[in-house]
Amino acid sequence: QKEVEQDPGPLSVPEGAIVSLNCTYSNSAFQYFMWYRQYSRKGPELLMYTYSSGNKEDGRFTAQVDKSSKYISLFIRDSQPSDSATYLCAMSPSSRLTFGEGTQLTVNP
Amino acid sequence: DVKVTQSSRYLVKRTGEKVFLECVQDMDHENMFWYRQDPGLGLRLIYFSYDVKMKEKGDIPEGYSVSREKKERFSLILESASTNQTSMYLCASSGVGAWPQHFGDGTRLSIL
Repeated sequence: QKEVEQDPGPLSVPEGAIVSLNCTYSNSAFQYFMWYRQYSRKGPELLMYTYSSGNKEDGRFTAQVDKSSKYISLFIRDSQPSDSATYLCAMSPSSRLTFGEGTQLTVNP
Repeated sequence: DVKVTQSSRYLVKRTGEKVFLECVQDMDHENMFWYRQDPGLGLRLIYFSYDVKMKEKGDIPEGYSVSREKKERFSLILESASTNQTSMYLCASSGVGAWPQHFGDGTRLSIL
């Protein structure tokens, strides 16, 4: 069983929709949680990171962590075609990162 | 902005060849990482280095070695390339601590 589970999709939504991307994990030692965005033929770029349970907001993006359920989410409000990419969750106890498989998102104009 | 540069975007090599993948970062980061990315498997850590001449095995080090002679440069070496090493290879760097990691744009390596 993988330490981090992420539905690979693909996920297709109309422009303006609210998108919810999720990961579950099994390692209770994970303390740091990140979301990366990866455009086609590019490397992953860091979107957001958080340390504790709760919500963190940055513009149209909200990251949510529920440590009791071992569940993290990324919400994208008012999604745009430019948000079309693969989104990877990543988490760490203190040193190495463990990545989810990534969810491929397409936002249709 | 942090810049992580991988020397080649695309590379085609033959089975049995010794292959070198190069990575350079410009932010004086202590930590550097090599991953491979495969469909259905995500990113998997091959090796990482937390200082010059220091290295640690990741989750899938078999068939690979690394070299870090200078702080800004981290090389991945395929000792004798095999077809199952065909993949996207990503280099990353970070400052103190393992995150946030900043990635290069990857090298798509094909072994024929």
